[in-house]
Amino acid sequence: AQSVTQLGSHVSVSEGALVLLRCNYSSSVPPYLFWYVQYPNQGLQLLLKYTSAATLVKGINGFEAEFKKSETSFHLTKPSAHMSDAAEYFCALSGGYQKVTFGTGTKLQVIP
Amino acid sequence: DADVTQTPRNRITKTGKRIMLECSQTKGHDRMYWYRQDPGLGLRLIYYSFDVKDINKGEISDGYSVSRQAQAKFSLSLESAIPNQTALYFCATSDPPGSSGGSTDTQYFGPGTRLTVL
Repeated sequence: AQSVTQLGSHVSVSEGALVLLRCNYSSSVPPYLFWYVQYPNQGLQLLLKYTSAATLVKGINGFEAEFKKSETSFHLTKPSAHMSDAAEYFCALSGGYQKVTFGTGTKLQVIP
Repeated sequence: DADVTQTPRNRITKTGKRIMLECSQTKGHDRMYWYRQDPGLGLRLIYYSFDVKDINKGEISDGYSVSRQAQAKFSLSLESAIPNQTALYFCATSDPPGSSGGSTDTQYFGPGTRLTVL
């Protein structure tokens, strides 16, 4: 079985501060890992994905994530938060031929 | 035009009514999914279909049924709606891992249907 755990259902940062959203996973096969973002009243859209090509993955809007196998983590970071980053972020896992498993989401609040 | 469309976008209905939510895609993907989103619970998988002849239950299929009418169409039905089915419903599509172009099962989501059952 595979699982995804997102630590912190709500995260608040000041505008310009570092954004760090945590994701840990469990998978019996080499995983594909994803971060999706959901803006208010919209569907989810892909932010970035890890496909084993490189452990540091860069995504849209200045976000990046690092795959750490030893820590079974795939944390999402952005050096400087912007007001437009306020949204809900979902970590997800796909392993082999299993369906995708999503975390419970982290709502990011950016304080002016 | 959007690659994954859902109709209706909003629906208010009464307990006991039959409701159908429809999803269409132009991405040419074989895999389609229905998810339900509730605050604090993230996305939970209701049903999924890996091709037209393949339908599978997800983690919360009770009270729901689906129909895969074609590769591009996947409908979700609530046979007798109840208030705890009030939620945001998303359709998604994907290509299976290893398919052409190096697919990684990336999910492409529709805009969602907000369903309220009174």
